[in-house]
Amino acid sequence: ETGVTQSPTHLIKTRGQQVTLRCSSQSGHNTVSWYQQALGQGPQFIFQYYREEENGRGNFPPRFSGLQFPNYSSELNVNALELDDSALYLCASSWGSEDTQYFGPGTRLTVL
Amino acid sequence: AQSVTQLDSQVPVFEEAPVELRCNYSSSVSVYLFWYVQYPNQGLQLLLKYLSGSTLVESINGFEAEFNKSQTSFHLRKPSVHISDTAEYFCAVRNSGGGADGLTFGKGTHLIIQP
Repeated sequence: ETGVTQSPTHLIKTRGQQVTLRCSSQSGHNTVSWYQQALGQGPQFIFQYYREEENGRGNFPPRFSGLQFPNYSSELNVNALELDDSALYLCASSWGSEDTQYFGPGTRLTVL
Repeated sequence: AQSVTQLDSQVPVFEEAPVELRCNYSSSVSVYLFWYVQYPNQGLQLLLKYLSGSTLVESINGFEAEFNKSQTSFHLRKPSVHISDTAEYFCAVRNSGGGADGLTFGKGTHLIIQP
């Protein structure tokens, strides 16, 4: 059984740029959730995708968007990067939106 | 809306001593409860969860947590810690009534094991 994987591991961008982060869900899982973890804080829910549609969203602006593909992998896109977007971005997969979520290792994004 | 409070940002403990990491939550609906552990430069690993049934839940590595509905708490305990338990521990809740509103996490407690 393959766990949740994320790419890239680290990323450095400048303010105003756009970034795409990727996530492959655990084998057998059809739901992907994305979280932002700022330094010294707990993760905050960005949004969730189920069967290629966004079905839940936290308190994040529209410049945070995503996709889910037929194989249930997912992308997180952030436009017009701001310094405060610097964080660890975590992806979690589950079987349905109500199942236990299993996390990937994260992508560390630094915005300069 | 839900919120999670982890009362201690850091807990230093000597090796082989017992430890308790405190977690309190606030919610207007019934919730599921989770503890996740994060080792340095890694993602989150599920430690244990309470969904229903017995209020005392255990993990395979000796941790346990007890759901106390009246006190809205889900404290994590271990009778004897090891150096390898040094990590950040996060308590989280989720609406048990369904929906796709994700997990709500506390700010975390850094468990520091001293030799």
